[in-house]
Parts: sequence; structure tokens; C-alpha cells
Amino acid sequence: ETGVTQSPTHLIKTRGQQVTLRCSSQSGHNTVSWYQQALGQGPQFIFQYYREEENGRGNFPPRFSGLQFPNYSSELNVNALELDDSALYLCATGTSQNEQFFGPGTRLTVL
Amino acid sequence: QQQVKQSPQSLIVQKGGISIINCAYENTAFDYFPWYQQFPGKGPALLIAIRPDVSEKKEGRFTISFNKSAKQFSLHIMDSQPGDSATYFCAASDGAGSYQLTFGKGTKLSVIP
Repeated sequence: ETGVTQSPTHLIKTRGQQVTLRCSSQSGHNTVSWYQQALGQGPQFIFQYYREEENGRGNFPPRFSGLQFPNYSSELNVNALELDDSALYLCATGTSQNEQFFGPGTRLTVL
Repeated sequence: QQQVKQSPQSLIVQKGGISIINCAYENTAFDYFPWYQQFPGKGPALLIAIRPDVSEKKEGRFTISFNKSAKQFSLHIMDSQPGDSATYFCAASDGAGSYQLTFGKGTKLSVIP
């Protein structure tokens, strides 16, 4: 088990709503990355935060946004939810090196 | 564009056998290649990782073999156990900027007694 925690575990929303997912970093880790994992697929990189600033972004629209706080915890916000946003959302924390350690994820269902 | 191709999609191995999963990449800037293990309902767990300056890395029953010229790397699980049954993902990152991981599509391993 890593020291990365995520909340909530599961979430059900309707199309058009907004959602906020949270991640608490493992001690000593100063980067946080968010990934989307659709059923039966590998995780897809959404973005990364380092020192409270976005430090790289994957191929996701602007309605996916995030924050990193001074204690290195993080939020992922998704606006105007679409059915295809249904997925497992994973955060991964690390140091400035490559190693990234994943949390258990938040299962989001959009109806 | 899929930058990391993983095969096979699924694998059945008898207990005590060797499980082999292969990955190929296209981006020559990749310089870090981890393998993750994921159980149902859990996040991926880092198993083992390699950098291109070595051709093999072993940790317990898990070995990564790396072929830089062929742009391929593989995971070998020796003495496979039923508890190894999980989905395995290879990944790669280029070590520049965000170190974002590009994942393969995964291999579902089943180890039968």
C-alpha cells in the first residue's frame, strides 16, 4: 500500500454536472499527476502539478482542471460532465524523479 | 497514436511456470520504463522499473529485459503463483518536464493451480 489516498471512493453524477476529486500525497512527494483509466484500458495522463503549478498536460479539454495545495494535496475538477467521463480517476505522487505511486482511485459514473 | 504497444492482451500460465509480457515503444526519448501490477478495484502498484543504460534488472521473481536497439522491453515472472493473477501494465516516460507516463493497454494474467 502506498501512502496516497483519494476521496471519494465512488461517485455518481449526471451529465452536465461538475465534480471535484481529491488526493492526498505520500509524505515527501512534491509532484502529483492525475490519470483517467477507462474500463479495460491503461491509464491516460491528464496533467501534473509541481510546486502548485501545472507542469504538463495530456490530451484532455480545459473542462478538466486541477489544483495543488501547499501541503502537496491536490484536486481534480471536471466541469460539464459527459457520459464518456465515466472512468477510474487515479492520482499518482512522486518526487521530481520518474517514480510515481498511485492511489486507489475514484470510480466516477456519469449517468 | 499508441506509443507503447503491449502483448499479449491476456495470458494463462500454470503455477510454477514463467509468465512473459512484452512491450514495444516508438518514442526514442523515453528513458524510464516501469511495470505496474493492478488488482481489480485497486490502483496500479509499481513493481519494477529500468532505465536504458542496463539490459536487465531483477527483483525477486520479477525481471525486466530491455533491448534498446529494438525498442522493446519485457517482464518475466518466474515461478508464477496464483497470487500473481492481476493485470500488468508497461509504461514509459521521457524524463523531461512532467515525467508523464504513457501506458500500454495491459495484460490480464491468470495463474492456474
